[in-house]
Parts: sequence; C-alpha cells; structure tokens
Amino acid sequence: KAGVTQTPRYLIKTRGQQVTLSCSPISGHRSVSWYQQTPGQGLQFLFEYFSETQRNKGNFPGRFSGRQFSNSRSEMNVSTLELGDSALYLCASSFGTGDSYEQYFGPGTRLTVT
Amino acid sequence: AQKITQTQPGMFVQEKEAVTLDCTYDTSDPSYGLFWYKQPSSGEMIFLIYQGSYDQQNATEGRYSLNFQKARKSANLVISASQLGDSAMYFCAMRELGNTPLVFGKGTRLSVIA
Repeated sequence: KAGVTQTPRYLIKTRGQQVTLSCSPISGHRSVSWYQQTPGQGLQFLFEYFSETQRNKGNFPGRFSGRQFSNSRSEMNVSTLELGDSALYLCASSFGTGDSYEQYFGPGTRLTVT
Repeated sequence: AQKITQTQPGMFVQEKEAVTLDCTYDTSDPSYGLFWYKQPSSGEMIFLIYQGSYDQQNATEGRYSLNFQKARKSANLVISASQLGDSAMYFCAMRELGNTPLVFGKGTRLSVIA
C-alpha cells in the first residue's frame, strides 16, 4: 500500500507570495492533518480534515487555510507569505479521527521564504 | 500548560545496548492515546508504537516497547538492542478523546555510537 505523498518536496517563495501544498493520504484513510515544524516552535498542529470537513484548527492566522476533496486528498494554502513561514510542513493521514487512530506521515514539504 | 514533556534533549547509547527515552504527559481526560514517532534526518515522521489509556498491558512492537505508568503519567519508550539506524529524533505525542489534535513533545535526539 502506498504511503502518504506530499508535493512538492521543496519550495522557495518570496515574501508576499502565496503557496499551495498538496497531500495524498494512504488509500482508505479519510482523515488528513497538517503540521508545521520549525526548530524554534517544534511541531505545531495546523488543521485536521475528515470527510471533507474541517474538524480541528490550530492557533494559526487566517493566512493559513486548507481543504479536503472527496477523494480525501488535501491541500493547504498560505497567503501573503512571511519569513517566519519557512518550515517543514508535514501531512498525516489516518483511517479515522480520535485518540486511538495512529497517524501516518508523509515526507513533508520544506518551504523556504526569502 | 505543556501537555507532553520530554526532558532529554539529547542522548547517546552504545550499539546493541538498550535505551529509555522519557515522556510525561498531562491530561484530565480518562481516555487518551499515546504515540511515539521517529524522525530521521530525512524529515519523515515514522510511527513506532501506540498505547491506549485503558490498555492493561504495555505495548510492544519488535524492539520497541512502551513503559506505561498511568499513575505517574509517564509513557517512556524503550529501544532494545540499539542499532546505528536508530539515530534520529524521537517524539512522544498524545491525543485526548473527542475533537482534539495530536500534541507533540519537543523531542529527544538519540545518537547510537558504534
């Protein structure tokens, strides 16, 4: 079974631009979560989608948004990029949502904002 | 308040020795799940092991076992017979019952020495 895939793997953008990251979950998984990882803040939760509905949202500004499609693929968008948005963005999928479902992560998208 | 605490920023272990990575958590929920992930330098988060709060026995997965002490709110990861490939960051995470996200600790960097 194929794992979680994320595209692109690396991205360089300029301040003020916007970016869209894509995540394809493991086949059969309906939940997709997004995380931002930086050396200073560690792993921070962005949002979680389940069956096209946002179930949870982390403490990030409205510039960060996401969506999930009917095939469970998910995208996240960051508008008006800031230097502090440089990070590794990780997507994770799970069969369900709740305290007993393990999440499987993709390889991440490394975003650099200059 | 920090929900997951990993007090060891870095650890060294000799190849073939066992090592324990500490994790304490804070929750008032009776139902929760505890997870350990490994992150090699490539960046991908690899799921290692899961322990449910109601599980009577400690979880084991190959060389990984989880020393779950509910009263002390600790969920330490034990890696037996360390291998050079075990060198990585290790993250402890928790998810509470209900509509809550997976919360990660700051991680422990494990270095295995030949």
